[in-house]
Amino acid sequence: GAVVSQHPSWVICKSGTSVKIECRSLDFQATTMFWYRQFPKQSLMLMATSNEGSKATYEQGVEKDKFLINHASLTLSTLTVTSAHPEDSSFYICSARGGSGAYNEQFFGPGTRLTVL
Amino acid sequence: AQTVTQSQPEMSVQEAETVTLSCTYDTSESNYYLFWYKQPPSRQMILVIRQEAYKQQNATENRFSVNFQKAAKSFSLKISDSQLGDTAMYFCAFISQDNYGQNFVFGPGTRLSVLP
Repeated sequence: GAVVSQHPSWVICKSGTSVKIECRSLDFQATTMFWYRQFPKQSLMLMATSNEGSKATYEQGVEKDKFLINHASLTLSTLTVTSAHPEDSSFYICSARGGSGAYNEQFFGPGTRLTVL
Repeated sequence: AQTVTQSQPEMSVQEAETVTLSCTYDTSESNYYLFWYKQPPSRQMILVIRQEAYKQQNATENRFSVNFQKAAKSFSLKISDSQLGDTAMYFCAFISQDNYGQNFVFGPGTRLSVLP
């Protein structure tokens, strides 16, 4: 299957700083990318959906100004956690889909573990 | 809105035995896809098997097969000849076929332990 990478795989930062996480589709063009958050021993919670060249669509309860998503190209989406606080510590996963239809498989990145001190 | 339920938070099975993981879902749509994903300790999400709702035949992938009961909105996963490497969280997921850009709806997961 296609490969999606995330960088960094883990990051530790101080409270109040901003952290950027990159999600790249390595061998296909991703028209749609998704960002998930996963707490320990829980399921994936969708945060937002982004389509290349347009603004991201955020799920209810997700702060747009705190979690900035940019999908500037067909192979790269970024999630920036602004003014991070300890409660933002979590595992963040992106996925990418090549086509617009639901039949197009989503490929998941390996995730990024964020720890805010 | 669609919902996905997995009623077994944890399960265990002896190596080489067979285990079935349950999943039920709720939707008013007729065209959709169902998936089982595996998340091992590495936390990389891995597609195990997928089923198109319009297909009556149950999907199979080597040791993995599903029992898809559309009327009952049930989508169970059977793992045959369980291996130690099957130890993981298993998530059942639903996605609508009709809506552009539609996202997955994941169940809460079942933690499967394969015992030697």
